[in-house]
Amino acid sequence: ETGVTQTPRHLVMGMTNKKSLKCEQHLGHNAMYWYKQSAKKPLELMFVYNFKEQTENNSVPSRFSPECPNSSHLFLHLHTLQPEDSALYLCASSQEVWGLSPLHFGNGTRLTVT
Amino acid sequence: GESVGLHLPTLSVQEGDNSIINCAYSNSASDYFIWYKQESGKGPQFIIDIRSNMDKRQGQRVTVLLNKTVKHLSLQIAATQPGDSAVYFCAEKSASAGGTSYGKLTFGQGTILTVHP
Repeated sequence: ETGVTQTPRHLVMGMTNKKSLKCEQHLGHNAMYWYKQSAKKPLELMFVYNFKEQTENNSVPSRFSPECPNSSHLFLHLHTLQPEDSALYLCASSQEVWGLSPLHFGNGTRLTVT
Repeated sequence: GESVGLHLPTLSVQEGDNSIINCAYSNSASDYFIWYKQESGKGPQFIIDIRSNMDKRQGQRVTVLLNKTVKHLSLQIAATQPGDSAVYFCAEKSASAGGTSYGKLTFGQGTILTVHP
């Protein structure tokens, strides 16, 4: 158990669908993150939340919409995605955004856009 | 821009051997470094971290070495086991205020470690 739970584990969606990814952390952390992992690319930071407030949007297209209702839960709402958005989407949490604490990752949602 | 990269994309070792995975970083402002292990179908798992005021840190069967002079980081795994087979990532962060990379954790591309029984 990583302490960070992501659902669903796998998702197949058409380009016109709307779906949401869910993340929950049980570590008492204050910061949460969305990362995208594509084949043969380093992990790409998408969004950062610190105490429920968004502190980073790494030039992510508006078809990805994050939501952080509290420090333990993070959502990624998806709509009108493109096939190139197919990837592993990883959620992570840390004690704080700044400072010397590691990120703890969930096992990801494998997204396939058809 | 600043980046973290790995010298070798793949590493194959025999069970019981020691493994060394290397990482070069380019951001001289980085002061915190982390090694992650990612097994197939799982997210990256924290292995060990080191702060820039240290040269070496040891964990269970793992040692991280930091050479700030040449901006080089390495992960040593002792008595490598088949269960150590995974992709290993180094990541770096500037935890000191200021600069565009402040607070961001930047990952390298990863090294695939394969352990043969």
